[in-house]
Amino acid sequence: KQEVTQIPAALSVPEGENLVLNCSFTDSAIYNLQWFRQDPGKGLTSLLLIQSSQREQTSGRLNASLDKSSGRSTLYIAASQPGDSATYLCAVSRTGTASKLTFGTGTRLQVTL
Amino acid sequence: DGGITQSPKYLFRKEGQNVTLSCEQNLNHDAMYWYRQDPGQGLRLIYYSQIVNDFQKGDIAEGYSVSREKKESFPLTVTSAQKNPTAFYLCASTLTGFPNEQFFGPGTRLTVL
Repeated sequence: KQEVTQIPAALSVPEGENLVLNCSFTDSAIYNLQWFRQDPGKGLTSLLLIQSSQREQTSGRLNASLDKSSGRSTLYIAASQPGDSATYLCAVSRTGTASKLTFGTGTRLQVTL
Repeated sequence: DGGITQSPKYLFRKEGQNVTLSCEQNLNHDAMYWYRQDPGQGLRLIYYSQIVNDFQKGDIAEGYSVSREKKESFPLTVTSAQKNPTAFYLCASTLTGFPNEQFFGPGTRLTVL
Protein backbone atom coordinates (compact mmCIF):
# COMPACT_ATOMS: atom_id res chain seq x y z
CA LYS A 1 0.00 0.00 0.00
CA GLN A 2 1.34 3.41 -1.00
CA GLU A 3 2.24 5.72 1.87
CA VAL A 4 3.14 9.38 1.41
CA THR A 5 5.02 11.33 4.06
CA GLN A 6 5.70 15.05 4.27
CA ILE A 7 8.34 16.47 6.57
CA PRO A 8 8.32 18.85 8.32
CA ALA A 9 4.69 19.12 9.39
CA ALA A 10 5.12 22.85 9.95
CA LEU A 11 7.68 25.43 8.90
CA SER A 12 8.13 29.12 9.64
CA VAL A 13 10.52 31.28 7.62
CA PRO A 14 11.13 35.02 7.27
CA GLU A 15 10.06 36.74 4.08
CA GLY A 16 12.57 36.50 1.24
CA GLU A 17 14.04 33.14 2.16
CA ASN A 18 14.26 30.26 -0.28
CA LEU A 19 12.80 27.04 1.12
CA VAL A 20 12.33 23.37 0.32
CA LEU A 21 9.38 21.16 1.19
CA ASN A 22 9.84 17.41 1.15
CA CYS A 23 7.60 14.55 0.07
CA SER A 24 8.48 10.85 0.17
CA PHE A 25 6.53 7.84 -1.05
CA THR A 26 7.01 4.13 -0.50
CA ASP A 27 6.00 2.66 -3.89
CA SER A 28 8.01 3.96 -6.85
CA ALA A 29 5.47 2.66 -9.41
CA ILE A 30 3.78 6.04 -9.74
CA TYR A 31 1.99 7.58 -12.72
CA ASN A 32 2.40 11.18 -11.63
CA LEU A 33 2.94 13.40 -8.59
CA GLN A 34 1.02 16.59 -7.86
CA TRP A 35 1.76 19.42 -5.48
CA PHE A 36 -1.20 21.37 -4.12
CA ARG A 37 -1.70 24.44 -1.99
CA GLN A 38 -4.54 24.69 0.53
CA ASP A 39 -5.55 27.86 2.35
CA PRO A 40 -7.47 27.47 5.65
CA GLY A 41 -11.02 26.29 5.07
CA LYS A 42 -10.59 26.21 1.31
CA GLY A 43 -10.22 23.64 -1.43
CA LEU A 44 -6.95 22.54 -3.03
CA THR A 45 -5.21 24.50 -5.75
CA SER A 46 -3.02 22.50 -8.12
CA LEU A 47 0.49 23.98 -8.29
CA LEU A 48 2.57 21.54 -10.30
CA LEU A 49 2.19 18.09 -11.81
CA ILE A 50 5.21 15.92 -12.63
CA GLN A 51 4.78 12.89 -14.85
CA SER A 52 6.72 9.79 -13.82
CA SER A 53 9.05 10.20 -16.82
CA GLN A 54 9.94 13.78 -15.85
CA ARG A 55 12.53 15.01 -13.36
CA GLU A 56 11.16 18.48 -12.63
CA GLN A 57 8.57 21.11 -13.39
CA THR A 58 8.70 24.87 -12.90
CA SER A 59 6.05 27.53 -12.50
CA GLY A 60 7.13 31.02 -11.56
CA ARG A 61 8.92 30.89 -8.19
CA LEU A 62 8.05 27.22 -7.74
CA ASN A 63 10.16 24.28 -8.83
CA ALA A 64 9.24 20.67 -8.14
CA SER A 65 11.61 17.75 -8.62
CA LEU A 66 10.97 14.03 -8.72
CA ASP A 67 13.34 11.14 -8.00
CA LYS A 68 11.31 7.97 -8.47
CA SER A 69 14.13 5.60 -7.58
CA SER A 70 14.51 7.10 -4.12
CA GLY A 71 10.80 7.80 -3.69
CA ARG A 72 11.22 11.52 -3.16
CA SER A 73 9.95 14.82 -4.43
CA THR A 74 10.83 18.35 -3.35
CA LEU A 75 9.01 21.63 -3.81
CA TYR A 76 11.37 24.59 -3.93
CA ILE A 77 9.90 28.05 -3.28
CA ALA A 78 12.15 30.96 -4.17
CA ALA A 79 12.04 34.36 -2.47
CA SER A 80 9.15 33.47 -0.18
CA GLN A 81 6.36 35.99 0.46
CA PRO A 82 3.71 36.24 3.21
CA GLY A 83 1.13 35.30 0.57
CA ASP A 84 2.83 31.90 0.27
CA SER A 85 1.60 31.02 3.75
CA ALA A 86 -0.62 27.95 3.38
CA THR A 87 -0.55 24.17 3.70
CA TYR A 88 1.25 22.37 0.89
CA LEU A 89 0.18 18.84 0.01
CA CYS A 90 1.76 16.30 -2.28
CA ALA A 91 -0.11 13.39 -3.82
CA VAL A 92 0.86 10.47 -6.03
CA SER A 93 -1.15 8.33 -8.39
CA ARG A 94 -0.16 4.76 -9.03
CA THR A 95 0.51 3.19 -12.37
CA GLY A 96 -2.57 1.31 -13.53
CA THR A 97 -4.87 3.26 -11.27
CA ALA A 98 -4.00 6.62 -12.65
CA SER A 99 -7.05 8.37 -11.32
CA LYS A 100 -6.61 7.62 -7.62
CA LEU A 101 -4.43 9.94 -5.58
CA THR A 102 -2.73 9.09 -2.30
CA PHE A 103 -2.05 12.20 -0.22
CA GLY A 104 0.52 13.18 2.34
CA THR A 105 -0.59 15.01 5.47
CA GLY A 106 0.92 18.29 4.32
CA THR A 107 3.41 20.91 5.45
CA ARG A 108 1.96 24.05 7.01
CA LEU A 109 4.10 27.00 5.90
CA GLN A 110 4.14 30.41 7.53
CA VAL A 111 6.14 33.22 5.96
CA THR A 112 6.68 36.06 8.41
CA LEU A 113 7.36 39.73 7.73
CA ASP B 1 -15.87 30.56 -15.74
CA GLY B 2 -14.96 26.89 -15.81
CA GLY B 3 -14.68 25.17 -12.49
CA ILE B 4 -16.06 22.93 -9.79
CA THR B 5 -18.78 24.08 -7.44
CA GLN B 6 -19.79 22.47 -4.18
CA SER B 7 -22.82 23.28 -2.09
CA PRO B 8 -23.58 24.04 0.57
CA LYS B 9 -20.39 25.49 2.06
CA TYR B 10 -21.49 24.57 5.58
CA LEU B 11 -23.91 21.79 6.52
CA PHE B 12 -25.24 20.74 9.88
CA ARG B 13 -26.79 17.36 10.45
CA LYS B 14 -28.57 15.79 13.35
CA GLU B 15 -27.61 12.26 14.26
CA GLY B 16 -29.63 9.71 12.31
CA GLN B 17 -30.20 11.95 9.30
CA ASN B 18 -29.00 11.44 5.76
CA VAL B 19 -27.60 14.49 3.98
CA THR B 20 -26.55 15.05 0.38
CA LEU B 21 -23.58 17.15 -0.72
CA SER B 22 -23.64 18.61 -4.20
CA CYS B 23 -20.73 18.68 -6.67
CA GLU B 24 -21.01 20.14 -10.17
CA GLN B 25 -18.32 20.74 -12.79
CA ASN B 26 -18.41 22.52 -16.14
CA LEU B 27 -14.91 21.50 -17.21
CA ASN B 28 -16.17 18.62 -19.37
CA HIS B 29 -14.11 16.26 -17.22
CA ASP B 30 -14.82 12.57 -17.41
CA ALA B 31 -13.87 11.50 -13.91
CA MET B 32 -15.05 12.83 -10.56
CA TYR B 33 -13.99 12.06 -7.00
CA TRP B 34 -15.03 12.58 -3.39
CA TYR B 35 -12.44 12.95 -0.64
CA ARG B 36 -12.75 13.42 3.09
CA GLN B 37 -10.28 15.56 5.06
CA ASP B 38 -9.83 15.33 8.83
CA PRO B 39 -7.43 17.43 10.93
CA GLY B 40 -3.92 15.99 10.93
CA GLN B 41 -4.74 13.45 8.23
CA GLY B 42 -4.28 13.43 4.51
CA LEU B 43 -7.23 13.40 2.16
CA ARG B 44 -8.89 10.00 1.88
CA LEU B 45 -10.81 8.80 -1.16
CA ILE B 46 -14.48 7.95 -0.57
CA TYR B 47 -15.84 7.21 -4.07
CA TYR B 48 -14.87 7.94 -7.64
CA SER B 49 -16.51 7.73 -11.03
CA GLN B 50 -14.75 7.58 -14.37
CA ILE B 51 -17.85 7.49 -16.54
CA VAL B 52 -21.56 8.26 -16.28
CA ASN B 53 -23.63 5.57 -14.54
CA ASP B 54 -20.53 3.89 -13.11
CA PHE B 55 -18.63 4.46 -9.88
CA GLN B 56 -16.21 2.63 -7.59
CA LYS B 57 -15.57 2.56 -3.87
CA GLY B 58 -12.50 4.27 -2.55
CA ASP B 59 -10.69 3.58 0.70
CA ILE B 60 -13.44 4.69 3.09
CA ALA B 61 -16.79 4.13 1.32
CA GLU B 62 -18.71 2.68 4.28
CA GLY B 63 -21.62 4.91 5.27
CA TYR B 64 -21.57 6.88 2.01
CA SER B 65 -23.37 6.58 -1.32
CA VAL B 66 -23.07 8.34 -4.68
CA SER B 67 -24.73 8.55 -8.07
CA ARG B 68 -23.48 9.68 -11.47
CA GLU B 69 -26.49 10.26 -13.69
CA LYS B 70 -24.95 13.21 -15.54
CA LYS B 71 -21.37 13.90 -16.56
CA GLU B 72 -21.44 17.25 -14.77
CA SER B 73 -22.77 16.06 -11.42
CA PHE B 74 -21.57 13.67 -8.70
CA PRO B 75 -23.60 14.05 -5.48
CA LEU B 76 -22.48 12.39 -2.26
CA THR B 77 -24.95 11.18 0.38
CA VAL B 78 -23.69 10.80 3.92
CA THR B 79 -25.97 8.23 5.52
CA SER B 80 -26.82 7.63 9.14
CA ALA B 81 -24.57 4.55 8.96
CA GLN B 82 -21.48 6.77 8.81
CA LYS B 83 -20.21 6.70 12.39
CA ASN B 84 -18.13 9.87 12.37
CA PRO B 85 -19.27 12.12 9.53
CA THR B 86 -17.98 15.46 10.85
CA ALA B 87 -15.27 16.45 8.36
CA PHE B 88 -14.37 18.64 5.39
CA TYR B 89 -15.53 17.07 2.11
CA LEU B 90 -13.80 17.84 -1.17
CA CYS B 91 -14.90 17.03 -4.69
CA ALA B 92 -12.44 16.79 -7.58
CA SER B 93 -12.48 16.07 -11.28
CA THR B 94 -10.07 15.21 -14.07
CA LEU B 95 -9.88 14.29 -17.71
CA THR B 96 -9.05 10.61 -18.01
CA GLY B 97 -5.71 9.86 -19.58
CA PHE B 98 -2.62 12.04 -19.86
CA PRO B 99 -1.76 14.05 -17.80
CA ASN B 100 -4.50 13.16 -15.33
CA GLU B 101 -4.28 16.36 -13.29
CA GLN B 102 -6.95 16.65 -10.61
CA PHE B 103 -8.78 19.89 -9.88
CA PHE B 104 -10.70 20.52 -6.69
CA GLY B 105 -13.83 22.33 -5.59
CA PRO B 106 -14.02 24.69 -2.57
CA GLY B 107 -15.30 22.02 -0.16
CA THR B 108 -18.25 21.46 2.18
CA ARG B 109 -17.81 21.40 5.94
CA LEU B 110 -20.22 18.95 7.54
CA THR B 111 -20.88 19.06 11.26
CA VAL B 112 -23.00 16.57 13.16
CA LEU B 113 -24.88 18.13 16.05
